[in-house]
Amino acid sequence: GEDVEQSLFLSVREGDSSVINCTYTDSSSTYLYWYKQEPGAGLQLLTYIFSNMDMKQDQRLTVLLNKKDKHLSLRIADTQTGDSAIYFCASFSGSARQLTFGSGTQLTVLP
Amino acid sequence: GAGVSQSPSNKVTEKGKDVELRCDPISGHTALYWYRQSLGQGLEFLIYFQGNSAPDKSGLPSDRFSAERTGGSVSTLTIQRTQQEDSAVYLCASSLVGGAGEQYFGPGTRLTVT
Repeated sequence: GEDVEQSLFLSVREGDSSVINCTYTDSSSTYLYWYKQEPGAGLQLLTYIFSNMDMKQDQRLTVLLNKKDKHLSLRIADTQTGDSAIYFCASFSGSARQLTFGSGTQLTVLP
Repeated sequence: GAGVSQSPSNKVTEKGKDVELRCDPISGHTALYWYRQSLGQGLEFLIYFQGNSAPDKSGLPSDRFSAERTGGSVSTLTIQRTQQEDSAVYLCASSLVGGAGEQYFGPGTRLTVT
């Protein structure tokens, strides 16, 4: 089945850019998502990209998709302390007909 | 509020007891999902309801787990004869349509089995 991998931890300084990376295995993935989870809360959908796109920008967020390498990244510009959270990458594939989530990347923003 | 709600927010139970977790999806959303999030783990898919179709139960870890969705709205996840390894946060999500539709998550129920 589909496998989605992320690095577990990332630390950045406030004001710097953060880049969170994700790889997936199912080449039939049609949508790829980024979710944010703050402590004690559910998951909040941040953004998503359709597989026929290679970039999507939404305010401070930029999603890059390299379909050939099955690599997805989320760039957060001007990272703030409020961005500290766990970020989950998720893939939807027509074969599985459901989302497969990565294990999440804990982003820590240092003052 | 118009979001997904779950109850209880926290549940502590003794090993061997049964528990019921409730999810109220966003009104009008046809699809409902249950996930389990264990400490340090990602989200593990449990079950998916889409309209009146038979649910996709492929993620349920054992026959102690079951779920139902009444009237296409509220859902209950039941765990019978709980075990310590069932301790986790159980998250519910709903989406307007199934498949690749955007999923909106509830705050979760933290289950602790002692």
